[in-house]
Amino acid sequence: DAGVIQSPRHEVTEMGQEVTLRCKLISGHNSLFWYRQTMMRGLELLIYFNNNVPIDDSGMPEDRFSAKMPNASFSTLKIQPSEPRDSAVYFCARGPARGGRVTGELFFGEGSRLTVL
Amino acid sequence: KQEVTQIPAALSVPEGENLVLNCSFTDSAIYNLQWFRQDPGKGLTSLLLIQSSQREQTSGRLNASLDKSSGRSTLYIAASQPGDSATYLCAVSIGQAGTALIFGKGTTLSVSS
Repeated sequence: DAGVIQSPRHEVTEMGQEVTLRCKLISGHNSLFWYRQTMMRGLELLIYFNNNVPIDDSGMPEDRFSAKMPNASFSTLKIQPSEPRDSAVYFCARGPARGGRVTGELFFGEGSRLTVL
Repeated sequence: KQEVTQIPAALSVPEGENLVLNCSFTDSAIYNLQWFRQDPGKGLTSLLLIQSSQREQTSGRLNASLDKSSGRSTLYIAASQPGDSATYLCAVSIGQAGTALIFGKGTTLSVSS
């Protein structure tokens, strides 16, 4: 168990709708990452946070994408408005627990599969 | 810009064979390298983590090696089993711990009984 809970696991929506993906961590962590996976491009980093602060959001495709981490255990990724090309599996990942040994290892949630019609 | 390449993209072997999956990266200035396993419809499970100062790591039937100077890593799976069927992903960390991973596109392994 990676201690990363993502919701929803599956979402089907229509173009133009707002989508919010959620990531809950079982315990507080120093770092949190959002990745997107497609067949064509593989896994791409969208944004990551250290100590709840966004460090690198250069992977966020467009202004339609935004992410927040209001506390050490929760983050959201929002797409507004959504487009068919946003269809992908979105993964949230965490680094080691706070106070744990820092190794660089990442632990992934099971992903949110988004389909935009 | 760091790029990670995995060869082959797909591999089919009979049960019991030993096999090697390859990973190459363009910039040798990495912090660590990780191998992950991904089952269909699931998230990624970390298999092995090799720090830049290390040359290999072992876990059960898995052995991963790292040659930073040549930009290569291999994942060796001994005595393959049908349960090993999955996609194996290689990823490098380009900064200190807490920074992001750059992934290859993976090798999809199928082990037949």
